[in-house]
Amino acid sequence: AQKITQTQPGMFVQEKEAVTLDCTYDTSDQSYGLFWYKQPSSGEMIFLIYQGSYDEQNATEGRYSLNFQKARKSANLVISASQLGDSAMYFCAMIRGKLIFGQGTELSVKP
Amino acid sequence: ETGVTQTPRHLVMGMTNKKSLKCEQHLGHNAMYWYKQSAKKPLELMFVYNFKEQTENNSVPSRFSPECPNSSHLFLHLHTLQPEDSALYLCASGVGDRETQYFGPGTRLLVL
Repeated sequence: AQKITQTQPGMFVQEKEAVTLDCTYDTSDQSYGLFWYKQPSSGEMIFLIYQGSYDEQNATEGRYSLNFQKARKSANLVISASQLGDSAMYFCAMIRGKLIFGQGTELSVKP
Repeated sequence: ETGVTQTPRHLVMGMTNKKSLKCEQHLGHNAMYWYKQSAKKPLELMFVYNFKEQTENNSVPSRFSPECPNSSHLFLHLHTLQPEDSALYLCASGVGDRETQYFGPGTRLLVL
């Protein structure tokens, strides 16, 4: 069965510092996609970054990068130079036919 | 127009009411999805539509009835809901089963 695990229910980071949000996944498939979404208190799920299982390079999108370690089945999100507006819930998700979400990590950025 | 819109944004209804949630996507996608997000729980996929055809019903109670008249519009008809159905209902659209899904802002539903 496919499963996504986020072990950090809550994280704090100082403004302008980098933070890593952990995500591990479990699948027997060889072909899959991994996503990170941000959900502010308004509720909208905002797509941040995508990593395909066959992509050899780690995905990057601006201040977001995905540390993909296929053998370890981990897909951690790294946010560089945190901003106050980064405070939100962050969800890791995997797609193979349908999108499966982890439990989420609540990130709080302190000024 | 923003990519995926949902109306209403907030809804309060009694257990005997009938209401509908609406989702519209302007991205040219062929797949649309309904998700339920309860407090402190991961998103749960409810329904999937591909080219207007329902391809997945994730064991959702019949008091939730989806409708997809075309690839751009998706409805969720609600009837005799229970208080435990109170949640954030998110609509998403996408291109295929390995592609990024884009979400609407959600409807916060409270059932009294």
